[in-house]
Amino acid sequence: GAGVSQSPRYKVAKRGQDVALRCDPISGHVSLFWYQQALGQGPEFLTYFQNEAQLDKSGLPSDRFFAERPEGSVSTLKIQRTQQEDSAVYLCASSLAPLTGRGSARITNEKLFFGSGTQLSVL
Amino acid sequence: DQQVKQNSPSLSVQEGRISILNCDYTNSMFDYFLWYKKYPAEGPTFLISISSIKDKNEDGRFTVFLNKSAKHLSLHIVPSQPGDSAVYFCAASPPPRVQGAQKLVFGQGTRLTINP
Repeated sequence: GAGVSQSPRYKVAKRGQDVALRCDPISGHVSLFWYQQALGQGPEFLTYFQNEAQLDKSGLPSDRFFAERPEGSVSTLKIQRTQQEDSAVYLCASSLAPLTGRGSARITNEKLFFGSGTQLSVL
Repeated sequence: DQQVKQNSPSLSVQEGRISILNCDYTNSMFDYFLWYKKYPAEGPTFLISISSIKDKNEDGRFTVFLNKSAKHLSLHIVPSQPGDSAVYFCAASPPPRVQGAQKLVFGQGTRLTINP
């Protein structure tokens, strides 16, 4: 497809259940971000991949959160033993250029394309 | 600690008039600022940005103003159109570092409604 695709669109999980959220970035995009957006809040950074390398995972809220991008394209965000506070929209975004390192393209100059998100509800 | 704040959760403006959305930030390291627009059930889309070396950037009906001394930026939309009804997020980015991603720090968003 032409844009960033995320699946499932909605996910309802029972507390304690494991979930996996998928992101298909735009083909050829090097950079991939995961953001978490709680109700009534702005998106908050979770983690960043450059190709298959996870270069920044400082935003992951606990060790229950795990993300991977093994072949440098599709990425999966896994949440183990879900809790009610994990309920949020999880947004994936991709960009053509690498966005790490001094002298790299600025995030404002290299457009960041967001998917529609996965809305996770933990009951 | 909310580094980027949008203190107005909602704003209602009549079609054809000017819409002004405000954003304040606390981190003086931020040097790039962006506005994103979000429709329901869609991801945010980039609208306009400004570097800290400028105080104004204009793109068609959209103008962003930056006041570094006050750590304040605003988005002006004129004239406002019904299709502008959406949630608007202000975001900020520090300069690239040797390590770590260029993380966008978002405000809470302002829901703009344009009334016919």
